[in-house]
Amino acid sequence: EAEVAQSPRYKITEKSQAVAFWCDPISGHATLYWYRQILGQGPELLVQFQDESVVDDSQLPKDRFSAERLKGVDSTLKIQPAELGDSAMYLCASSLRRGNEKLFFGSGTQLSVL
Amino acid sequence: GESVGLHLPTLSVQEGDNSIINCAYSNSASDYFIWYKQESGKGPQFIIDIRSNMDKRQGQRVTVLLNKTVKHLSLQIAATQPGDSAVYFCAETLFGGKLIFGQGTELSVKP
Repeated sequence: EAEVAQSPRYKITEKSQAVAFWCDPISGHATLYWYRQILGQGPELLVQFQDESVVDDSQLPKDRFSAERLKGVDSTLKIQPAELGDSAMYLCASSLRRGNEKLFFGSGTQLSVL
Repeated sequence: GESVGLHLPTLSVQEGDNSIINCAYSNSASDYFIWYKQESGKGPQFIIDIRSNMDKRQGQRVTVLLNKTVKHLSLQIAATQPGDSAVYFCAETLFGGKLIFGQGTELSVKP
């Protein structure tokens, strides 16, 4: 069964350092999402791509977070500089097309900022 | 603001019993709902979905019920197994827009 691939699985970094997460969606899925999940809470959308274009980044802290999907396939989410409050699970998801609500999630990257 | 919430943060059941996980939503215009299962250290996994023009939908061992009158959603798991232990999230969306997740209910199955 096709899966959303994410790496790394775990990342430990110090405050003020830069970190980057990578996601490869299910082949053929045009829409890609980055979510942040704090322990015990539901995922919250950070950014949504349709192909290579950002369609929603209203909840992305743009002073320190950036996301790109240059060729409309895989994507990178970057945090620079990382802050203690950024410690969370970062989940990538994909769906067949925009407006298709059935999202498939990757296993996430667990970030710890020390 | 509008949100999706769960009645119980934790639920403990005996193996073989049926489980019922509840969810309240506040946006009466939401037209699509999903239940996700999330095991420890993994991403959410799709379980079952339902559109607002339906009251009930059944899957393999799972049933979702939608009561639009009281804006309530429930997930029923028949013959609960240890492998069902996880956190369950309901999520809602409107016209294919942003998916909004609730806080989650942790289901614990006792052998």
